Amino acid sequence: LAKTTQPISMDSYEGQEVNITCSHNNIATNDYITWYQQFPSQGPRFIIQGYKTKVTNEVASLFIPADRKSSTLSLPRVSLSDTAVYYCLVGDMQAGTALIFGKGTTLSVSS
Amino acid sequence: GAVVSQHPSRVICKSGTSVKIECRSLDFQATTMFWYRQFPKQSLMLMATSNEGSKATYEQGVEKDKFLINHASLTLSTLTVTSAHPEDSSFYICSARARRGENTGELFFGEGSRLTVL
Repeated sequence: LAKTTQPISMDSYEGQEVNITCSHNNIATNDYITWYQQFPSQGPRFIIQGYKTKVTNEVASLFIPADRKSSTLSLPRVSLSDTAVYYCLVGDMQAGTALIFGKGTTLSVSS
Repeated sequence: GAVVSQHPSRVICKSGTSVKIECRSLDFQATTMFWYRQFPKQSLMLMATSNEGSKATYEQGVEKDKFLINHASLTLSTLTVTSAHPEDSSFYICSARARRGENTGELFFGEGSRLTVL
């Protein structure tokens, strides 16, 4: 399973755009890239998933370069409630494949 | 969207007792469920993979006799912490993948169960 590397922490202010980059140099052909958000004492919550190029949903965008060795989660105009830990995970979509968590990025948003 | 539910959300028990945590997929069938454990300020650590109708697969270092997993149906997996000790106190989280052809194989996570062993 591909290993991921993210910054341990990031700080931002309300209203700013936050970009969190994740490295996954040994990503496999069948692997997808998925980002989760976790608040204290809660299970991870799905944010966005992609395979290549750019994916956008109502809460975030995911940019994946052609070599797929990295990805960037973009959160537009963050608010205080976006303070959380963000995990980048890489793996295939097979039923028996678990996702292995790295250390994640702790995002702190201040007013 | 698909929902995975855990019960109980919090449990406190005495050392030496056993505790059962349930994980249910509410609106989809899950052939496979995964159990994670998370200690304070740390990431989630995969404990085991639960397969419907067969034995669970445990990660290295996880005692199968201590953490009993049963996946008796396509919507329910249970984790039993046997003879719990204070060091087993942790946040236990289950996750489930829908069967192929449903929900694109996305991995859904439960709300987590906080176990405190006194």
